[in-house]
Amino acid sequence: QKEVEQDPGPLSVPEGAIVSLNCTYSNSAFQYFMWYRQYSRKGPELLMYTYSSGNKEDGRFTAQVDKSSKYISLFIRDSQPSDSATYLCAMSVWGGSQGNLIFGKGTKLSVKP
Amino acid sequence: EAQVTQNPRYLITVTGKKLTVTCSQNMNHEYMSWYRQDPGLGLRQIYYSMNVEVTDKGDVPEGYKVSRKEKRNFPLILESPSPNQTSLYFCASSLWGGSSYEQYFGPGTRLTVT
Repeated sequence: QKEVEQDPGPLSVPEGAIVSLNCTYSNSAFQYFMWYRQYSRKGPELLMYTYSSGNKEDGRFTAQVDKSSKYISLFIRDSQPSDSATYLCAMSVWGGSQGNLIFGKGTKLSVKP
Repeated sequence: EAQVTQNPRYLITVTGKKLTVTCSQNMNHEYMSWYRQDPGLGLRQIYYSMNVEVTDKGDVPEGYKVSRKEKRNFPLILESPSPNQTSLYFCASSLWGGSSYEQYFGPGTRLTVT
């Protein structure tokens, strides 16, 4: 079993839809949970991070972590064409004492006008 | 502008010809890292550096070398490139190792080894 599993998609939704992106993981020691967004031909950029369990909201984006189920989610409300990108989940043991982030393979999202 | 720069952006080379991909950041970050991104495999860490003269292996270090002689620079060296090192490479940095959940990525270097 891979440490981090993420459905690669692709996922295509109409503009305005609610998008749900998910990752599962196997290492119960993970404490930091991140979502990175990567536009085509660009490097990833941090979208949100959450420490331990719970929810975090930032504008149209909500990140959820359920450590009991080893499951994390990113919700995008009122999706826009500009949200079209690949979304990567990433995790680390704590802040990355060894600087080691484990990434999912990424989900490619397309939001159609 | 705060940024991570990589050079070259695109490189085609032949098997066995040594090459260096440079990485530089202007944010005074302590932590720097190299990743490769391959279809179906995602982003995987090659090497990282917690500070000057402190480097360590990531998940896929075979065939690569790094050095950290200055805080701002973290070059990736392929002593004898092979076709299985054809990939998209990213350099990243963060303020310090404890904040490596927030990494700033460079634009990427697409390497083809024939």
